[in-house]
Amino acid sequence: QPVLTQSPSASASLGASVNLTCTLSSGHSSYAIAWHQQQPEKGPRYLMQVHSDGSHIKGDGIPDRFSGSSSGADRYLSISSLQSEDEADYYCQTWGTRAVFGGGTQLTVL
Amino acid sequence: EVLLLESGGGLTQPGGSLRLSCVGSGFTFSSHAMGWVRQSPGRGLEWVSVKSPSGGLTKYADSVKGRFTISRDNSKNTVYLQMDSLRVEDTAVYYCVKGPTLFDFDYWGQGTLVSVSS
Repeated sequence: QPVLTQSPSASASLGASVNLTCTLSSGHSSYAIAWHQQQPEKGPRYLMQVHSDGSHIKGDGIPDRFSGSSSGADRYLSISSLQSEDEADYYCQTWGTRAVFGGGTQLTVL
Repeated sequence: EVLLLESGGGLTQPGGSLRLSCVGSGFTFSSHAMGWVRQSPGRGLEWVSVKSPSGGLTKYADSVKGRFTISRDNSKNTVYLQMDSLRVEDTAVYYCVKGPTLFDFDYWGQGTLVSVSS
């Protein structure tokens, strides 16, 4: 099964941009992943799926400020023009014979 | 609008049972995989179980295999999670998830809290 690694925390200023990284374990660099956002005290929300070729498919109603990309075993979530409501936990997720989540990155908007 | 509404959470003792329900609306329920993901207090997300649209394929996390049973009633747009032999470590918010595929989750419910304590 693939394993996903995320940095525990990240921060960026209001109005700036940030890139969050999710790294797939060795031997799984071709896997697609999904990004989910969890705002404080809320259930998660699906953001997008990111494929190994860098293409991404966003969920319903996800703003253009959110985009995905890929390089090798790394999958990225980019957020531009940061807003206060972007302060949240971000989880990546993939799947083999079962679903697997990364540990999550807590994003602070300064 | 896609909505997933969970119910059935509560407080129970170790060794007890609970049954969670999730009613889906705003989409063709019988065409989508449905599953459960949980989150222990202050922790990350953990996948629990999933069932294929027709119900013919079922998967469980190792941590719940043999104790939890997922089922669905497409006539009622409802997926269930029967949880038996509950342990303290099963304490979590349980989220219902909908998938375009078995393990790709594109909608989440708001969650229902399960507490296992003596």
